[in-house]
Amino acid sequence: AQSVTQPDIHITVSEGASLELRCNYSYGATPYLFWYVQSPGQGLQLLLKYFSGDTLVQGIKGFEAEFKRSQSSFNLRKPSVHWSDAAEYFCAVGPHGGATNKLIFGTGTLLAVQP
Amino acid sequence: GAVVSQHPSWVICKSGTSVKIECRSLDFQATTMFWYRQFPKQSLMLMATSNEGSKATYEQGVEKDKFLINHASLTLSTLTVTSAHPEDSSFYICSATRNRGAPETQYFGPGTRLLVL
Repeated sequence: AQSVTQPDIHITVSEGASLELRCNYSYGATPYLFWYVQSPGQGLQLLLKYFSGDTLVQGIKGFEAEFKRSQSSFNLRKPSVHWSDAAEYFCAVGPHGGATNKLIFGTGTLLAVQP
Repeated sequence: GAVVSQHPSWVICKSGTSVKIECRSLDFQATTMFWYRQFPKQSLMLMATSNEGSKATYEQGVEKDKFLINHASLTLSTLTVTSAHPEDSSFYICSATRNRGAPETQYFGPGTRLLVL
């Protein structure tokens, strides 16, 4: 069955420190991969996506992610975290259920940034 | 580009009443829209997929008579929660894609918080 796992429910980092959020998936073929960020009480904003090609993907706000097929992972990274990055981050995989654009979401990682 | 809006942003209603939530794509035509439900501190649960001009496809376990979805135009989809009850209180989020082909990115609205008293 298709699934997405975000092993870390909650992460706290210091401002200026580097960040890596983990995402592992179970999928029968090459998936489409997404990272979204959600601020409290808001919808989801797309950070970056991987469809094909270069496995290192650059996104907005200084984020990047690397697709590693051998590890079934798509971890999100940022070299220096800012206080405004505090939010919840969701990894998503598609297509799901045979439908072209349906996604399955991970359970999310809540990022706290301490001064 | 790819802005999606939702209205209202929050709504409080009495048990037994119906509530309509609108999802609009502001700067593109959305052939497909998705409706999600999100419980506090949890992930998104897909409720249904809505294609313009056709009936919505509901996920297993979602009551289609309870959650009525209409996608009457390429820029508007509505979710109506009929005879709402307190257990329907949740955060409802829509998303939209431009094309039916693959792959395509889902662009999300800001969400609607529903509280049923």
